[in-house]
Parts: sequence; structure tokens; C-alpha cells
Amino acid sequence: TQLLEQSPQFLSIQEGENLTVYCNSSSVFSSLQWYRQEPGEGPVLLVTVVTGGEVKKLKRLTFQFGDARKDSSLHITAAQPGDTGLYLCAGASTRPVPYTGNQFYFGTGTSLTVIP
Amino acid sequence: ETGVTQTPRHLVMGMTNKKSLKCEQHLGHNAMYWYKQSAKKPLELMFVYNFKEQTENNSVPSRFSPECPNSSHLFLHLHTLQPEDSALYLCASSRSAQGGKNNEKLFFGSGTQLSVL
Repeated sequence: TQLLEQSPQFLSIQEGENLTVYCNSSSVFSSLQWYRQEPGEGPVLLVTVVTGGEVKKLKRLTFQFGDARKDSSLHITAAQPGDTGLYLCAGASTRPVPYTGNQFYFGTGTSLTVIP
Repeated sequence: ETGVTQTPRHLVMGMTNKKSLKCEQHLGHNAMYWYKQSAKKPLELMFVYNFKEQTENNSVPSRFSPECPNSSHLFLHLHTLQPEDSALYLCASSRSAQGGKNNEKLFFGSGTQLSVL
């Protein structure tokens, strides 16, 4: 099992502040995805990063994949109450024998609360 | 609306009950999954179906029994569960079961919040 550690586990900030969430592992992943899960709903995919060092921007969200493809970060600028939710990272790695293809390994998540 | 619908949204059952969770996807995907989400734990992959065939069972106890009659429907039959099985059960689908490729995405349903008394 590939272990993905997310930090911080909980984060409560005021509207307008900036924040960074981290996703770290000792394993190498072929790609990494970030999901946001709102209360009472399932996770929704935000972005997929594939290349080491890749940076992707989605409005106020900036995602970076580490050069060694073992870690990733999510930076939110000027957070808004609508950003509140559980942020999950998921790394893709080869399935264990005897299976073929890749499997997503999920982190424990960062619960973000943005206070108006 | 992600195109993946799960019912019921909430379920309370006793340890001797038999119940079933249902998942339906309207995305034309070929792969469907059951995940378990517990507090302070990563999402745990339980079962994978690709083109209606079960391709993976991650050491899940036999009190959980999946069924996939076609590529659009997935069930999870529950029997004699334990209180520690209380969790959010999420269904997901993707175009294929390969997963992890740069254009592969998991689409999740809203989940069934299960409480076992």
C-alpha cells in the first residue's frame, strides 16, 4: 500500500487569506490528482498533474507536482467560503501482482473551513 | 450532479439485518468501484468491476458481497455487519479500470452513510 500523508489535517482560516496544503509520500506516482469533497457529497476531481515539476492553475487554486513525483501541493489565494471542504490527494501507482494497470491511492485529506 | 447516483443516502441497520446499497452511472463508463470512507482514514478501495467482471477484491470480509449485473449498475449486499463497518460507502466509475492515466478520472456518487447498531 502506498502511503500519502496530507498536512495539515485541519485548517480554519478567514476569508481572503492564502493557504497551502501538502501531500507527501516516499513513493513515486505516475500521476497525482486532487479532489474536493463537500459535506454530504462524494469527492469531485479538481486537477490531474502528470509531469514532475508541473504547475497547473485553476482560477485561485495552484497545483504543483514535485520534481520527483513523490509530493504535491495545493495553494489557494484569497480563500472564499465556497472553498470549504475536504481536499484529497490521490496518487496513481502500479497495482500489486497479480493485477495489471494502475490504482489510485488516497491521502487522509485536509479539512478546510473558510470563515466569512 | 456527477452522473453517478447512489441510494439510499442514509442507512441504519442492526447487526442481523440484510440490506443492499445501489449505484447507477449514466456516463457510459466501463469500470465501477466501491470505496469505504471512515473518519481519519484514507479512502479504502473495496471492489473493482471492469466490463461487469470483478477484477479486484481488496481482502474485504465476506459480509460485504458486490454484484454488477451490467456496466451501469453496481450493488453492495450487506449481511451481519459489525459496528466498525459504520462509514460512508462511495461508488465511483471511470472509463476503464486502468486508472491513473493522465486523462482517467474517477466520478463519485454522493455516498451512503451507513450506521450499524
